[in-house]
Amino acid sequence: DAKTTQPNSMESNEEEPVHLPCNHSTISGTDYIHWYRQLPSQGPEYVIHGLTSNVNNRMASLAIAEDRKSSTLILHRATLRDAAVYYCIPLYGGSQGNLIFGKGTKLSVKP
Amino acid sequence: DAGVIQSPRHEVTEMGQEVTLRCKPISGHDYLFWYRQTMMRGLELLIYFNNNVPIDDSGMPEDRFSAKMPNASFSTLKIQPSEPRDSAVYFCASSFFLVAGVVPDTQYFGPGTRLTVL
Repeated sequence: DAKTTQPNSMESNEEEPVHLPCNHSTISGTDYIHWYRQLPSQGPEYVIHGLTSNVNNRMASLAIAEDRKSSTLILHRATLRDAAVYYCIPLYGGSQGNLIFGKGTKLSVKP
Repeated sequence: DAGVIQSPRHEVTEMGQEVTLRCKPISGHDYLFWYRQTMMRGLELLIYFNNNVPIDDSGMPEDRFSAKMPNASFSTLKIQPSEPRDSAVYFCASSFFLVAGVVPDTQYFGPGTRLTVL
């Protein structure tokens, strides 16, 4: 399984963009990069995933480095509701999808 | 759909008692996962099922833990006897799984059951 490195915590101001980095230097060519987040007192929820090219959805954008050894989750305008722990999870495309959660990045959003 | 449903939401019990946690996955999902979250160990996978059959239970901590999935709409995680170190939040999740080699589908998590063993 690919190892990931994320900052323990980050702070952002409300309505400003947030860039959450993740290093996954041991990722294999068939691993997708998934991001989940966990709001306080809730179960994790899916945010976004990608393989090689950058991806956008209504929640966030995912920028993947050309060598795929790192990626960045981008929240374009942070809201108070985005305060959560964000997990970067490489996931083999042929796996059954059992997620291995690291420690993640705790994002705080200031009003 | 109501999402993944877990019950009870909170359980307080005494050491040595049997505890049963319940999960109803999203209708039509063919994978079901049980996770445990503690401050010390974070989120860890305990066991997962495919089409009601246990596929990997290597994360189950010891024989005191057992999980069943008698049908596609119900699963239980049982701890007997319970110990204080079992205190944690237990999450159930469900998902589809696409053809091998395609991206595994999103996992949808329930709200969790907070277990306290005194």
